[in-house]
Amino acid sequence: SQQGEEDPQALSIQEGENATMNCSYKTSINNLQWYRQNSGRGLVHLILIRSNEREKHSGRLRVTLDTSKKSSSLLITASRAADTASYFCATRRGNNNDMRFGAGTRLTVKP
Amino acid sequence: ETGVTQSPTHLIKTRGQQVTLRCSSQSGHNTVSWYQQALGQGPQFIFQYYREEENGRGNFPPRFSGLQFPNYSSELNVNALELDDSALYLCASSLPHGGSYEQYFGPGTRLTVT
Repeated sequence: SQQGEEDPQALSIQEGENATMNCSYKTSINNLQWYRQNSGRGLVHLILIRSNEREKHSGRLRVTLDTSKKSSSLLITASRAADTASYFCATRRGNNNDMRFGAGTRLTVKP
Repeated sequence: ETGVTQSPTHLIKTRGQQVTLRCSSQSGHNTVSWYQQALGQGPQFIFQYYREEENGRGNFPPRFSGLQFPNYSSELNVNALELDDSALYLCASSLPHGGSYEQYFGPGTRLTVT
């Protein structure tokens, strides 16, 4: 079963706009990670945020985590056509070795 | 591109057959995880191997089995294939660091069962 649920399922924006994707999860977590996938290929790790962190930045990416609401958001600023991909959140609980992925948000950035 | 490779890229099998998928982990990584990704869905954890032993398993039947070799490469075997096994199979290698670790994914093997 999948742990995270991304929202929205699909998002279409113009180049230069910001894109915000949300992720909700059901159980307590050790950390939450965001991944990107182009056209059914392998996933690329974007950013990891630990359960005791509230916000993290990496380049044009900003991730927030609210453990009281069991939710996270990924913001991509000044989007580019090359950002077109599916974005997944994934969570790990304690020392469990399995990562639980959501169904993803399909982002389309129009040039 | 990560240093994780998978073979083959694509595979077509018939229901009831057996299949073996292969994964070479990134240099220095001693942990390999396998995932199944159905079309339009997120990856689902199958199992993980650490130092040649299974180190966690998701909700998959025993006909999904694996191996890890001394060089940390890995195989995923699926027996008695079913139509629902059609999916993208992803492997990911990592170095576990106290439970928080980044996984490096291979490009995947697309399996079609007819």
